[in-house]
Amino acid sequence: SQTIHQWPATLVQPVGSPLSLECTVEGTSNPNLYWYRQAAGRGLQLLFYSVGIGQISSEVPQNLSASRPQDRQFILSSKKLLLSDSGFYLCAWSAQGKVFPLHFGNGTRLTVT
Amino acid sequence: AQKITQTQPGMFVQEKEAVTLDCTYDTSDPSYGLFWYKQPSSGEMIFLIYQGSYDQQNATEGRYSLNFQKARKSANLVISASQLGDSAMYFCAMREGGFTGNQFYFGTGTSLTVIP
Repeated sequence: SQTIHQWPATLVQPVGSPLSLECTVEGTSNPNLYWYRQAAGRGLQLLFYSVGIGQISSEVPQNLSASRPQDRQFILSSKKLLLSDSGFYLCAWSAQGKVFPLHFGNGTRLTVT
Repeated sequence: AQKITQTQPGMFVQEKEAVTLDCTYDTSDPSYGLFWYKQPSSGEMIFLIYQGSYDQQNATEGRYSLNFQKARKSANLVISASQLGDSAMYFCAMREGGFTGNQFYFGTGTSLTVIP
């Protein structure tokens, strides 16, 4: 069966520090991969999605970037964190096709101080 | 225009009663999928139920059913026999078909509280 791993679960970083969140999927090939952010008590904001290695679509211009160095690995990065980057970050994967749902990782709670 | 609209920020239901969470959607694509997710306070997003735009029957998964009214573009989630563990945020989502079918559109969510 397919599983998705996301780490770390919680992270506290100072303003201006770099960020790297990693997500890996097991048990499937060529998945669509997604990064979402959720502010406290709010809905989901799509940040990036990828349909293949090296193919990244950005939905929101900001100081975050994403990379997909391997088929089942998706990384969210920042060179310098802002206070507004605090939130709950969720990685997700889906198979191609409208009938397939998103499957989410357990999320990373990021606090920028 | 919003792709997914959830108009109920918060809902309360008595334990063992049924509750309906509303969701309307907007698309011109004839091929699409509709999904409901549950997010407990722990934060994980749990997939509950799926309805395809061409499905003739309403989807059901255990205590969850989807009241799909295509002409009204609504896809309401019905939870029967509510339990305390059903207290959570619930999100409606849509995935369109065709080559744009990589994006999922989420509503703003409904917070459900089950009262003992």
